[in-house]
Amino acid sequence: DTAVSQTPKYLVTQMGNDKSIKCEQNLGHDTMYWYKQDSKKFLKIMFSYNNKELIINETVPNRFSPKSPDKAHLNLHINSLELGDSAVYFCASSPRLAGGLEQFFGPGTRLTVL
Amino acid sequence: DQQVKQNSPSLSVQEGRISILNCDYTNSMFDYFLWYKKYPAEGPTFLISISSIKDKNEDGRFTVFLNKSAKHLSLHIVPSQPGDSAVYFCAAPRGNYKLTFGKGTLLTVNP
Repeated sequence: DTAVSQTPKYLVTQMGNDKSIKCEQNLGHDTMYWYKQDSKKFLKIMFSYNNKELIINETVPNRFSPKSPDKAHLNLHINSLELGDSAVYFCASSPRLAGGLEQFFGPGTRLTVL
Repeated sequence: DQQVKQNSPSLSVQEGRISILNCDYTNSMFDYFLWYKKYPAEGPTFLISISSIKDKNEDGRFTVFLNKSAKHLSLHIVPSQPGDSAVYFCAAPRGNYKLTFGKGTLLTVNP
C-alpha cells in the first residue's frame, strides 16, 4: 500500500535515447510534482500538476515532457537524453487544501546516462 | 539563487545527546518552514513544520526553533537515536505549490 510509487527505481541508458519514468499516488491528492536531485544534492522542482493541469514549469528543457493521464498519475518522458540528465528524480504529491506545503515523496528513480 | 541554506553538510553526535541542525534563509517573505528527513534510497519524508507566527514547535523528540530577525531556524533532536541517522532538509514554500529545499545535512548518530 505504497503511497507514492515510481518505476523504475534504476534506469541506465545511452545518450540520445528516450525514456519514461512513471509515478502513481494512492493518497487521493490533487497535486503532483517532479523534482530533480542533481550531483550537488539540491532538490529542485521541475513540474507541478494540479488536477491534471500543468501549473509549474521551472524552466525545464523541452526534452522533458510530463503527462498526467489522471489525478493519480504523473509520468515524466525525457527525449534525447544527455549526460547532464543523470540524477535522481523524485515524484511527490500533496493535498490541494494543504497548499502543497506538506508533500509526500516517492522513493526516487536514479537515472544514469552513459 | 540559494534562498534556503544549510551550511553544514554533515553532523555527527553520540546516541542520547542533542542534535542541532541549522538552516538560514534569505527571503523574508517566507512564512512557513518544513523539515524533511531522508534515508538512503528513499524519498524525503515530512518531519515537522513551523509557521512564522511562532518561534517554536515541538513534536516528541523534535523541536524546531525560528528566529525571524536572524532569518534562521534550527531543528533539535533530543535524545538522538541511531535511527535518526539520515539527511535532513530544510524547506520553505514559494507560492502555493513550490518548495525550495536546502542542500541537506547528513546526521550520523553513533551508538
